[in-house]
Amino acid sequence: KAGVTQTPRYLIKTRGQQVTLSCSPISGHRSVSWYQQTPGQGLQFLFEYFSETQRNKGNFPGRFSGRQFSNSRSEMNVSTLELGDSALYLCASRKDRGPSPLHFGNGTRLTVT
Amino acid sequence: AQTVTQSQPEMSVQEAETVTLSCTYDTSESDYYLFWYKQPPSRQMILVIRQEAYKQQNATENRFSVNFQKAAKSFSLKISDSQLGDAAMYFCAYRSANKLVFGAGTILRVKS
Repeated sequence: KAGVTQTPRYLIKTRGQQVTLSCSPISGHRSVSWYQQTPGQGLQFLFEYFSETQRNKGNFPGRFSGRQFSNSRSEMNVSTLELGDSALYLCASRKDRGPSPLHFGNGTRLTVT
Repeated sequence: AQTVTQSQPEMSVQEAETVTLSCTYDTSESDYYLFWYKQPPSRQMILVIRQEAYKQQNATENRFSVNFQKAAKSFSLKISDSQLGDAAMYFCAYRSANKLVFGAGTILRVKS
């Protein structure tokens, strides 16, 4: 069974631009979560989608948004990029919203210059 | 708000020996889940072991086991017979309201 796939693996953008990251969950998984990982702040929860609906959101500004499609694939968008948005963005999927564990992808390394 | 604390930024262990990574958490909930994840240089977070709070028995997965002390809100990870491939960053995590709260992580170095 294929794991969680995130594309692209690396991305370099300049301040003010916007970026879209993609995540394909494990087949059969309906929940997709996004996390931001930085050396200073560690791993922080961005949001979770289940059946195309955002179910939970972390403490991030409105520049961070996401969506989930009917095939459970998810995209995350960051507009008006700032230097502080440079981070590893991790996507994770799980079968449902119950006790099943999260399965993570390899992440997208975003660098904002 | 729930918090997870990993007090050891870095640990070292000799190959084949045993090491214990510490984790404490703060919560007012009675039903929750705890996890240990491993993040090697490849960046992918890999689930090592999980514990349901309602289970008194400590979880075990091959060389990995936990010491879950619910009253003390402690959840340590013991790695037995350490291998070079165990070298990674280890994160303790608490699941609350369908989101995971992570600790700051512990870098584990394995010496040959």
